[in-house]
Amino acid sequence: EVQLVQSGAEVKKPGESLKISCKGSGYSFTSYWIGWVRQMPGKGLEWMGIIYPGDSDTRYSPSFQGQVTISADKSISTAYLQWSSLKASDTAMYYCARHVVGEVDYWGQGTLVTVSS
Amino acid sequence: EIVLTQSPGTLSLSPGERATLSCRASQSVSSSYLAWYQQKPGQAPRLLIYGASSRATGIPDRFSGSGSGTDFTLTISRLEPEDFAVYYCQQYGSSPMTFGQGTKVEIK
Repeated sequence: EVQLVQSGAEVKKPGESLKISCKGSGYSFTSYWIGWVRQMPGKGLEWMGIIYPGDSDTRYSPSFQGQVTISADKSISTAYLQWSSLKASDTAMYYCARHVVGEVDYWGQGTLVTVSS
Repeated sequence: EIVLTQSPGTLSLSPGERATLSCRASQSVSSSYLAWYQQKPGQAPRLLIYGASSRATGIPDRFSGSGSGTDFTLTISRLEPEDFAVYYCQQYGSSPMTFGQGTKVEIK
């Protein structure tokens, strides 16, 4: 059974750093792109970027380029999304997502990130 | 970047009625790389349709997708109580991938 299991909810202060994770199982982790999708409270889905764990090829949406870093450790089948300096506007639910051609067939359960002073 | 505009913003219908949701792209979506997702409160989205018209695994045949180029449609032939949710389209034909803003299907 394919599963994407994300790390738990986080509460951080502005300016702090954060790295959240997404562990894949039940399939060949290095053979599918893994992306990250943001959903701000009460809002729609925003595609942030994507990584191919097989060779770490990474692409970002221009809206998120320079704001976050996507990485992966194929030895432990885990993808990451990280911030060096959080802002209140980063408060959102973040989903990791397995992409096939480009559509997402499996989603993580989501990680809620709250940034508040 | 391709902008996807979904309409209407909210669709108020009764169970058993037909729902027609629209997704219009600012540029042609190559190879009909257009997907539809359903999201219920507190849940991750679920893939319904990919390649504009192919149903994902386990999706009932009351859901159908059509369209090409810049105009795409998701049709729910007869609404079941569990179909009331928010629906998003996504294009993956060009980078960056983008989502529409969503259509909420609510009970009338």
